[in-house]
Amino acid sequence: QKEVEQNSGPLSVPEGAIASLNCTYSDRGSQSFFWYRQYSGKSPELIMFIYSNGDKEDGRFTAQLNKASQYVSLLIRDSQPSDSATYLCAVDTMNRDDKIIFGKGTRLHILP
Amino acid sequence: GAVVSQHPSRVICKSGTSVKIECRSLDFQATTMFWYRQFPKQSLMLMATSNEGSKATYEQGVEKDKFLINHASLTLSTLTVTSAHPEDSSFYICSALVGIWTDTQYFGPGTRLTVL
Repeated sequence: QKEVEQNSGPLSVPEGAIASLNCTYSDRGSQSFFWYRQYSGKSPELIMFIYSNGDKEDGRFTAQLNKASQYVSLLIRDSQPSDSATYLCAVDTMNRDDKIIFGKGTRLHILP
Repeated sequence: GAVVSQHPSRVICKSGTSVKIECRSLDFQATTMFWYRQFPKQSLMLMATSNEGSKATYEQGVEKDKFLINHASLTLSTLTVTSAHPEDSSFYICSALVGIWTDTQYFGPGTRLTVL
């Protein structure tokens, strides 16, 4: 099993709808979870981080963490065309000296 | 806050030359910085962890003699690609940890290297 898995997409979502991005991880000892947004040709930009089970909201973004299921998701409400990007999930892993491991990313396309 | 800069943003060089890329934390001190490379449509690949005042820790498969990393101050880390070849053409991105009790990384804008 890969350490951090994401569906590569593309995920197409109509403008104004909720985009749901999912990520699973293999290390039960992981404590820190991050979502980054990366536009084509640009470097990643931190969107949110979450450490505790449950939901964390920041504006239109909500991160959801379920450690029992080893699952973290990112919801984007009222999706805008400017949200079209690749979203990278990143997780710390005790198996790799506490390094942050990035998933391959999910391409999100918001349809105007 | 937490701004990381990289210079240059783009570089084109001939095969066999060496290229130095600078990564600076502008408004904070970064004890730890990371260097990644990213090929088109691929995810980030961690190359090395750079700690101020000590030798960098390289990931398996990354040649430390080819990718020289120097982290001489709390705000500057450099990556030198020595004797660059076309297969080294990639997007190189640095990131920095804000403080020592965090694992949140902030990324620089990246450097696109093209080796002819």
